[in-house]
Amino acid sequence: GESVGLHLPTLSVQEGDNSIINCAYSNSASDYFIWYKQESGKGPQFIIDIRSNMDKRQGQRVTVLLNKTVKHLSLQIAATQPGDSAVYFCAEIRHSGFQKLVFGTGTRLLVSP
Amino acid sequence: EPEVTQTPSHQVTQMGQEVILRCVPISNHLYFYWYRQILGQKVEFLVSFYNNEISEKSEIFDDQFSVERPDGSNFTLKIRSTKLEDSAMYFCASSGDSDGELFFGEGSRLTVL
Repeated sequence: GESVGLHLPTLSVQEGDNSIINCAYSNSASDYFIWYKQESGKGPQFIIDIRSNMDKRQGQRVTVLLNKTVKHLSLQIAATQPGDSAVYFCAEIRHSGFQKLVFGTGTRLLVSP
Repeated sequence: EPEVTQTPSHQVTQMGQEVILRCVPISNHLYFYWYRQILGQKVEFLVSFYNNEISEKSEIFDDQFSVERPDGSNFTLKIRSTKLEDSAMYFCASSGDSDGELFFGEGSRLTVL
C-alpha cells in the first residue's frame, strides 16, 4: 500500500564520526526538552534532557545544546556506533503540571560500519 | 530494570469493533500516559492520567476513547468503535512524578481493516 506520512530527514555517517542532529521547537514557553531514540518497532527511549535555564548538558557520548533565542536544539553523538542507528526525536514540554510531550518530526540516523 | 509492558503487541480488528489496549506501568509510578504514532508520523499525545482521573487530553482523544485503571497494576486504553484512521502504534508511558522521566512501553500496533 501507499506510504503516507512525513518524509524523515536522514543523516548518514561513518562509524566513529561525530553526529549532530538538529531540531527546531515551536513554543518559547516550553521549559523542558528531551531527546528520544526510537529503534524500529520499539517505543521512544530517553537519551538526555535539558531544562530551559541551561544551554548545554552532557551525558555519556551525547551532548544537548539549547539555543532559546532561535528555539533550536541539537544532539551531538560522539564516536557514533552502528547501534546508534535509529530515529531521533526532540520533544518539548509545555509545562502544565503533567508531561504532555510535543514531539518533533524526527531524524533518521544511519551509521555505516 | 523495571519497564512498562504493553499487550497485545499487534491487534488486527474490523472497523467499528471495540479494542482494548493494555499497559502495565512501572509499579511505583503515579502518572500514566497514552501516545500514538501513525506510521511514518510524529508521536502524538493522547491523554495523561493521575489519581484515577484524566488530567489532560488532546483533541484526538474524543468520545470514542476512554482510559481506565481497573486495578492497581493495569492501565487500559479503549477505543469503542474503531475507524480506519485509528490504525497506529499506541505507546503507554509512566512516570514517577509530574516532571520525572517518562518511560515508554514497546507499543501496541493496531491495524483497523
